[in-house]
Amino acid sequence: AQSVAQPEDQVNVAEGNPLTVKCTYSVSGNPYLFWYVQYPNRGLQFLLKYITGDNLVKGSYGFEAEFNKSQTSFHLKKPSALVSDSALYFCAVRDIYNTDKLIFGTGTRLQVFP
Amino acid sequence: DAGITQSPRYKITETGRQVTLMCHQTWSHSYMFWYRQDLGHGLRLIYYSAAADITDKGEVPDGYVVSRSKTENFPLTLESATRSQTSVYFCASSETQEYGYTFGSGTRLTVV
Repeated sequence: AQSVAQPEDQVNVAEGNPLTVKCTYSVSGNPYLFWYVQYPNRGLQFLLKYITGDNLVKGSYGFEAEFNKSQTSFHLKKPSALVSDSALYFCAVRDIYNTDKLIFGTGTRLQVFP
Repeated sequence: DAGITQSPRYKITETGRQVTLMCHQTWSHSYMFWYRQDLGHGLRLIYYSAAADITDKGEVPDGYVVSRSKTENFPLTLESATRSQTSVYFCASSETQEYGYTFGSGTRLTVV
């Protein structure tokens, strides 16, 4: 069965420092991978996706993610964190051969301190 | 307005009552989904639909019923609400498998 893991419940980083939010996945076929962000009392917003092609994917708000097939990872990164990046981040995976639906991780809360 | 809308935004109901959460999208997306969000569990899929009149169970379907007679609507019904169904419910839609989902703003349901 497909699954996705976010090993960190919370990540703390100082403003201006680089940030990484980790995600690993497990699928039987080739994955579609996504990152979403949720601000307080809001729905999830799409950040970026990996379908095929370049392993480094660029998305909204200066975020990027690197697909690593050998490590089955899709970590979210940003070179310089902003206080406004503080939110809940979800990684999600879809197995393109076996299902129509996304499976979400449990989420990682990113806290950026001034 | 274009988009995906959920109603009501907040709902308090009593144990044993039937309650329906509404979801409406204006894009004619084929796929629609219902998730619940609970602390420590992230998002869990309740039901999904690949097209009108086609629905399927997700990870946590017990106690819920869905229908999709029209492409744009995907209501979720709790037949007899229980306290364990207190949660935030999100509806989402998607055009194809390659695209991500667009989420509604959510319904916060409290069962007392």
